[in-house]
Formats: sequence, structure tokens, C-alpha cells
Amino acid sequence: AQTVTQSQPEMSVQEAETVTLSCTYDTSESNYYLFWYKQPPSRQMILVIRQEAYKQQNATENRFSVNFQKAAKSFSLKISDSQLGDTAMYFCAFTTTGTASKLTFGTGTRLQVTL
Amino acid sequence: DAMVIQNPRYQVTQFGKPVTLSCSQTLNHNVMYWYQQKSSQAPKLLFHYYDKDFNNEADTPDNFQSRRPNTSFCFLDIRSPGLGDAAMYLCATSVFGRFEQYFGPGTRLTVT
Repeated sequence: AQTVTQSQPEMSVQEAETVTLSCTYDTSESNYYLFWYKQPPSRQMILVIRQEAYKQQNATENRFSVNFQKAAKSFSLKISDSQLGDTAMYFCAFTTTGTASKLTFGTGTRLQVTL
Repeated sequence: DAMVIQNPRYQVTQFGKPVTLSCSQTLNHNVMYWYQQKSSQAPKLLFHYYDKDFNNEADTPDNFQSRRPNTSFCFLDIRSPGLGDAAMYLCATSVFGRFEQYFGPGTRLTVT
């Protein structure tokens, strides 16, 4: 069975600073996909960034980037130039190919961006 | 804009009174999912449809059922809601083979 672990239940960062959210996962599969989803308070979950396991290059989306360490089964999210709108619950998620994209989520990290 | 829509956004039902939650999508995705999310927890997959093929998670209670009459719509039926079923219910869609999911805003269910 696949598991996803987020060891930081809560984090806080000041506006314009950089923060890194941690995620580790466990799988015996070789082909899989990793995601970070953002769930703002009382708003819907949206995809922040995705990483294909077969790609060595770390994914980036504007201020969001990942550090994907396949051997260590680590997938951290770096948010640069944090903005108040980044305040949200962040979920790391995992899926393997051939599973109709069934996601396994971590327990989430609640990020608070402060002035 | 193409999107995933859930109705109602808030639903109050009485203990034991059947309730139906609705999800529709304009993305024309062939996979639809229902998740249960309790406060400050990760979403938990209840079941999913790949086209009309229904796939139930092993630990989803029999109290929860689903219908997908066409590509655009999917319903979650809770036959006899208990207090423990109070939660946010999320609908999501994806294209088989694309892996990322697109979520609706959720329906918050309260059981009194």
C-alpha cells in the first residue's frame, strides 16, 4: 500500500519570505505521479503543481517549485515570495498509473502567511 | 469556464433521513470521484466511476451509494445518515491517464 506523510501539521511564514513544506511517500511502484494541492479556507481544492516520477527535472509553476528526491522518496514544496493568498491547507498526494488516478493524500500542512 | 459544480453547498439532514448530494461537470472528464473530508483531515476516497464502471473502496460503508446517469452528473446517496457522516463531501473529475484531479467546491453536510 502507498502512504504519504506530511510531518508539519502547521507552518507560518511572513509575507515575501520563502517556505518549504515537506512530504515523504512510500511505494514499490516505479511509475507514479506526485501532486501538491492547495485548499484555502472554505474554498475548493486546486492543483498547485505536479511531478512525474520518470522526470528528473523538478517541476516549477511560477512561485511554486518542488524538490523531488526519488531515491529518498521525498517531495517538498517551496513557495517563494509568499503572499497572503497562499494561506491554505496544503496536501501532498500520490497516484500510480493504471489506478484511475486514485489519489492517496497526506494529512496536510496548514500554512499561515502573516504580514 | 469549464468546471466542477456541487449542489447544494450546504445540506442539513436529520439522523436517518436519506440525503442526495449532486455533482456536475462541464469538463467532459470520464472519471468522477466522491471523497469524504472530515474537519482538518485529508480527503478519503469513497468511490469512483470510470465512465459507467463503478468502483467502490473496500472500506466505504454500505450506507453510501452513488449513481452516474450520464457523463456530466454524479450523485452521492446516503441512505441513513448518522452523526458520524457529518463532513465535507468533495466531488472530483479527471481524464483517465492524465492523473490530476479537478475538484468541486464541496458540500458541507450537517446531520442533526
